[in-house]
Amino acid sequence: GNSVTQMEGPVTLSEEAFLTINCTYTATGYPSLFWYVQYPGEGLQLLLKATKADDKGSNKGFEATYRKETTSFHLEKGSVQVSDSAVYFCALSDNDYKLSFGAGTTVTVRA
Amino acid sequence: DGGITQSPKYLFRKEGQNVTLSCEQNLNHDAMYWYRQDPGQGLRLIYYSQIVNDFQKGDIAEGYSVSREKKESFPLTVTSAQKNPTAFYLCASSIKSAGKANEQFFGPGTRLTVL
Repeated sequence: GNSVTQMEGPVTLSEEAFLTINCTYTATGYPSLFWYVQYPGEGLQLLLKATKADDKGSNKGFEATYRKETTSFHLEKGSVQVSDSAVYFCALSDNDYKLSFGAGTTVTVRA
Repeated sequence: DGGITQSPKYLFRKEGQNVTLSCEQNLNHDAMYWYRQDPGQGLRLIYYSQIVNDFQKGDIAEGYSVSREKKESFPLTVTSAQKNPTAFYLCASSIKSAGKANEQFFGPGTRLTVL
């Protein structure tokens, strides 16, 4: 079956530091890949997505590239802000519409 | 504004009682989903529905029930059979396009506490 493994947290950074959250997946076929973000006390919001190999998703300074050869979809941001403090979830979906989520990585950015 | 609403935001229940969580969407989405989130864990799928009057069990359906009588509504009932119901419950919806995995839109969640 499908599964997603992402880097364990928590991750604590200073403002303007570089952020990387690793995500690898196992799936049959060719899934779509997503990064969702959850701010405290809220639901999840889509951050970015990629639907085929070598696609790069980007939004709000975050980027992730769909790497089929390494089955990875690592999230990066070059300069984080305090407002980026949140829980980040990697997820995949195949054609039956269900999402499989990683465990989530809590990121705290200090001023 | 289009979106997904969940109510209530916080819910308290005594052991042995059933409780129903509301989820409404005005995005005209065909598919709707219920997830459970526990601290330090990812989201786990409880039930999903791709069309009115039809729904399927997810990975952790035991102790839960749902209905889909209207396209815009997908209520979740947490029954007394659910052994550990205290959690954060998230509802989501998506469009349904054949052969394509689409993003899901999430509601703000309901935090259920069993006393």
